[in-house]
Amino acid sequence: QVQLQQWGSGLLKPSETLSLICAAYGESFVGHYWTWIRQPPGKGLEWIGEINHNGVTNYNPSLKSRVAMSIDMPKNQFSLNLTSVTAADTAVYYCARGSRLSHVLLPFDFWGQGTLVAVSS
Amino acid sequence: VLTQSPATVSFSPGERATLSCRASQSVSTYLAWYQQRPAQAPRLLIYDASKRAPGIPARFSGSGSGTDFTLTISSLEPDDFAVYFCQYRRAWPIFGQGTRLDIK
Repeated sequence: QVQLQQWGSGLLKPSETLSLICAAYGESFVGHYWTWIRQPPGKGLEWIGEINHNGVTNYNPSLKSRVAMSIDMPKNQFSLNLTSVTAADTAVYYCARGSRLSHVLLPFDFWGQGTLVAVSS
Repeated sequence: VLTQSPATVSFSPGERATLSCRASQSVSTYLAWYQQRPAQAPRLLIYDASKRAPGIPARFSGSGSGTDFTLTISSLEPDDFAVYFCQYRRAWPIFGQGTRLDIK
């Protein structure tokens, strides 16, 4: 059974950098896409980006200029950095696994517990 | 774009519920459904339009192809009252805005 555990900065000021880490337990990184998704309070889900075990990344075009993801294979961890945050970046941030259940759809079959990140001056 | 309608539906426990998701262009059968209970992460229910994810009860089923998809819950249980999202993937994953399933 895969478990994703995430942690990171919860309260930021405008222009600071959001940093989150997600650790995957019980599963190899190989073959899946490791993903960050966010959800503003009371709103829907927005995909931020993904990274695979080779370090290949794919980002949401609307955030691409501010996003960087990395992977640490020995630790089975992957991370998200989002620079120059504003109040519009306030959301619950989730890590998730994009699964080989479907090689085209890569559905998100395991999720972290979520981290509320608030941006306020 | 994925459109879920209506934004809120109300049913009673034990009833059969159907939720709709419409794509602006064909996604073949590459569509997933998720359930999100309050203060919890989403949970994958259905992928590839009709395949139940591991561990998902048989009362959840998905159907459709092309642009029109349906999630059916055959007999509602108390834990089923939640928000449901559909999702597909082209260049990147896109979610519908969600349908809230309320108790009547």
